[in-house]
Amino acid sequence: EPEVTQTPSHQVTQMGQEVILRCVPISNHLYFYWYRQILGQKVEFLVSFYNNEISEKSEIFDDQFSVERPDGSNFTLKIRSTKLEDSAMYFCASKIEANTGELFFGEGSRLTVL
Amino acid sequence: TQLLEQSPQFLSIQEGENLTVYCNSSSVFSSLQWYRQEPGEGPVLLVTVVTGGEVKKLKRLTFQFGDARKDSSLHITAAQPGDTGLYLCAVFYNQGGKLIFGQGTELSVKP
Repeated sequence: EPEVTQTPSHQVTQMGQEVILRCVPISNHLYFYWYRQILGQKVEFLVSFYNNEISEKSEIFDDQFSVERPDGSNFTLKIRSTKLEDSAMYFCASKIEANTGELFFGEGSRLTVL
Repeated sequence: TQLLEQSPQFLSIQEGENLTVYCNSSSVFSSLQWYRQEPGEGPVLLVTVVTGGEVKKLKRLTFQFGDARKDSSLHITAAQPGDTGLYLCAVFYNQGGKLIFGQGTELSVKP
């Protein structure tokens, strides 16, 4: 069964360092997302991506964040200079259609900023 | 202000008990989804409800969409330890396909 895959599963970094989280969405999906879940809190929308550009981004997704689909298969989230409060699970998701259907999530990348 | 309010936030019950969790909003939605998330994993879709008053059953889980399409409930009959997890309601918001989640109900079913 097709699935969304994410790497790394866990990354520990020092505050101020750059981090890149990688995702391979399901191959025929057209809409891509990043979500964040701080421990014990809700799943929060960060950004949506369609047709090689950002469709929408949340207030959390400030200038320190960027997304890219460099090669038609990978979808990456970069945090330029990590802060302690960036520690969270980051989930990549993808789906075929815009406003209906199932959003398929990866298993997440746990980011720990020290 | 949360778009979706889920209650209760935490629920701990014994195996075999029934339970209902709720998802409420002041907004009207064309559809609503329920996801389940296990520790260390991403959310997984359980069901989508689209019609006001709709009831959908998934084995021991019964989902209902309110008549006014502002709220939904999830009822579990004879809960089992395998039902333990975080239950999230979610709606598509705006035209960009953004899925917004409620804060979830953390369910623990003890044997």
